[in-house]
Amino acid sequence: AQKITQTQPGMFVQEKEAVTLDCTYDTSDQSYGLFWYKQPSSGEMIFLIYQGSYDEQNATEGRYSLNFQKARKSANLVISASQLGDSAMYFCAMREGNGGFKTIFGAGTRLFVKA
Amino acid sequence: DTEVTQTPKHLVMGMTNKKSLKCEQHMGHRAMYWYKQKAKKPPELMFVYSYEKLSINESVPSRFSPECPNSSLLNLHLHALQPEDSALYLCASSQVGRFLSGNTIYFGEGSWLTVV
Repeated sequence: AQKITQTQPGMFVQEKEAVTLDCTYDTSDQSYGLFWYKQPSSGEMIFLIYQGSYDEQNATEGRYSLNFQKARKSANLVISASQLGDSAMYFCAMREGNGGFKTIFGAGTRLFVKA
Repeated sequence: DTEVTQTPKHLVMGMTNKKSLKCEQHMGHRAMYWYKQKAKKPPELMFVYSYEKLSINESVPSRFSPECPNSSLLNLHLHALQPEDSALYLCASSQVGRFLSGNTIYFGEGSWLTVV
């Protein structure tokens, strides 16, 4: 069965520093996609970055990059140059590549950026 | 700004009331979703519509009734709710198909529901 594990309930980072949010996953499928979402206290789930299981290069989107280690089944999110507005809940998610609609979410990591 | 819009942003309703949550997407997507999210928990899938037809119902109680009038609109009709149904309700949309990169789910801002 699919599973997403985020082992860090809360993380603190100093403004302007980089931070890594951990995510490990479990699936028996060869084709799958990994996603990261940001959820501020306002509630909106904001899509940040996507990594496909067959992608050979790590995905990057601005200050966000995904450290994809397929053999270890990990998909860590790296945020560079943290900003106060990065304080939010972050969810790692996975979707299998069978055309289905179900996305599995991890428990989330609450990031606090300190000034 | 999100291209998935939800109304109302906040809703307080009594247990005997009938109300509706509304969602509209302007992304040309053919799949639309309702998720329920309790505090400090990840979102939980409730319903999925694909090409305006109900594709997934995650054993949601009948007091929640979804409706997809067209490819851009999704409603969630609420009736005889319980206080434990108080949560953030998120609407989302995505493309349909086997190409994962194109199937990213995009969420709206959510509707905060309080049942009193």
